[in-house]
Amino acid sequence: QKEVEQNSGPLSVPEGAIASLNCTYSDRGSQSFFWYRQYSGKSPELIMSIYSNGDKEDGRFTAQLNKASQYVSLLIRDSQPSDSATYLCAVNGELIFGTGTRLQVFP
Amino acid sequence: DAGVIQSPRHEVTEMGQEVTLRCKPISGHNSLFWYRQTMMRGLELLIYFNNNVPIDDSGMPEDRFSAKMPNASFSTLKIQPSEPRDSAVYFCASSFRADGGGTQYFGPGTRLLVL
Repeated sequence: QKEVEQNSGPLSVPEGAIASLNCTYSDRGSQSFFWYRQYSGKSPELIMSIYSNGDKEDGRFTAQLNKASQYVSLLIRDSQPSDSATYLCAVNGELIFGTGTRLQVFP
Repeated sequence: DAGVIQSPRHEVTEMGQEVTLRCKPISGHNSLFWYRQTMMRGLELLIYFNNNVPIDDSGMPEDRFSAKMPNASFSTLKIQPSEPRDSAVYFCASSFRADGGGTQYFGPGTRLLVL
């Protein structure tokens, strides 16, 4: 059974701080990794995709992948209250999702 | 583009009734996915299609669930008979890549409540 694990949170950070979200996966053969954001009552939307070891930056978001340790993380710099949502880690083409980490950014 | 379209947006039905959920993927996308989301189990893949052909239906809970994709622009997920434990939000998503990889774009979801 392929699994993707995330801490359910909530992760609470003050506005302006760095939020760090982590995800581990069980399938060593996984090749593609995604972070989705889901606001309450809405559908998931893609934030970042990453395929190679190392960091990938997009604005305030940085995805980090370490295939040897089988983890992928998402850093959100200068966190804003509008970043408050559930962040879903997903692996591979058919998208095995973690259960998500709820992030709360307080003013 | 209008994005992925799902209907109905909300459905309330009684146990034992047939429920049909509908999805129109983004034009030109080759893969279509059905997911179910609950608080307890999170987002689960039920089935996905590549070029209208079902590729993996291992996530379909049981024989009460069936999915079809008669053409590239339409798919249905049917539950017959429905049970209270089927209550969830059902998402449809589509992707350009025929191998099922790449970015998936989600529809708004159908909130199903089975009484």
